[in-house]
Amino acid sequence: EDQVTQSPEALRLQEGESSSLNCSYTVSGLRGLFWYRQDPGKGPEFLFTLYSAGEEKEKERLKATLTKKESFLHITAPKPEDSATYLCAVQWDFGTSYGKLTFGQGTILTVHP
Amino acid sequence: GAVVSQHPSWVICKSGTSVKIECRSLDFQATTMFWYRQFPKQSLMLMATSNEGSKATYEQGVEKDKFLINHASLTLSTLTVTSAHPEDSSFYICSARGGAGQPQHFGDGTRLSIL
Repeated sequence: EDQVTQSPEALRLQEGESSSLNCSYTVSGLRGLFWYRQDPGKGPEFLFTLYSAGEEKEKERLKATLTKKESFLHITAPKPEDSATYLCAVQWDFGTSYGKLTFGQGTILTVHP
Repeated sequence: GAVVSQHPSWVICKSGTSVKIECRSLDFQATTMFWYRQFPKQSLMLMATSNEGSKATYEQGVEKDKFLINHASLTLSTLTVTSAHPEDSSFYICSARGGAGQPQHFGDGTRLSIL
């Protein structure tokens, strides 16, 4: 059973067309939810950490929110340079897990000019 | 801040060769480092977790003798793919974490091609 699910798998937007990406998780004992951006051929770039329901973080055109079951990454007035794969990852208490993350499959975002 | 350097970025070698990949945290001390493997159009799959000065913890299905991990200092971890074969060809990515509650920061990956 998938524990971290991202939707949609792919999203095509016109420049300036705002939208949201979803990350849902089914485990309890959440220690942190992380959003990353990954460009082709590169490692993921850290965007946000959310720790508790109701928390929100913002950076430029991106805003991340968290509830008890899911997180949203809102993109306001996107630009072509926002095109990338956005990854959601969850950390929960595995005892001696040393903070390992479980990643979702990612959402491939394409923003057309 | 929080820069992780991974080297080399690309390796092509013959079957049977052993390949070493380095992961360094440049501006912070990494108590824990992680090694991932990523197949085309798929997400990251954790291979192992390493803490400085102790043995690595491998995920289920990952061969310890095939993928040797050394975490000799708070800024350096290495992954050695021993006797590599074509099925080991993949994109390997490391990450480093400064401490509990801190996010993982990733290197830019190593593309390994075994001929």
